[in-house]
Amino acid sequence: GQNIDQPTEMTATEGAIVQINCTYQTSGFNGLFWYQQHAGEAPTFLSYNVLDGLEEKGRFSSFLSRSKGYSYLLLKELQMKDSASYLCAFMDSNYQLIWGAGTKLIIKP
Amino acid sequence: IAGITQAPTSQILAAGRRMTLRCTQDMRHNAMYWYRQDLGLGLRLIHYSNTAGTTGKGEVPDGYSVSRANTDDFPLTLASAVPSQTSVYFCASSVGAGANVLTFGAGSRLTVL
Repeated sequence: GQNIDQPTEMTATEGAIVQINCTYQTSGFNGLFWYQQHAGEAPTFLSYNVLDGLEEKGRFSSFLSRSKGYSYLLLKELQMKDSASYLCAFMDSNYQLIWGAGTKLIIKP
Repeated sequence: IAGITQAPTSQILAAGRRMTLRCTQDMRHNAMYWYRQDLGLGLRLIHYSNTAGTTGKGEVPDGYSVSRANTDDFPLTLASAVPSQTSVYFCASSVGAGANVLTFGAGSRLTVL
């Protein structure tokens, strides 16, 4: 079967670093996506990993280990505007996206 | 403004009524999707279309139908709404099927009483 899991909620302090983990199980894999979703808004694309390793984009980085079925999103120098839900999704062998329930990130001053 | 437009933004509907959620994109994307988002659950795919004239069933298609008469429009119809269809519905598109980035519309919040 296929499944994906990420923490429901995390809290961090403005200016700090936070790592949001995502684990998945699937027999076929065509990449892993991270999206950001502010409350009441649409998800927006953050990153895509298909090979193992770290992809860095400014304050955001995403890591993938295919052998471990594991990814994380790293957010540095947290700002209040980073308060949002972060959605992890993998693409299966049929190129369908399987989504996690999202991690609500709360940033405190 | 390039992107996806969904309508209505919000709707309260009596059970048993028919409802069509509209979705229009102006990016000339080939693939379009309808998702529902419920608290505590990941986005679930209802129906998709890889190109104009074709549609396919997603994870939760029962009670919903779609059509794709042209590239830009992808309406979702609830033939006879039930309370379990209360949800936020997102339309999305991508350049093509496969490992492509999705662009989402702002969502339609539907409440079925």
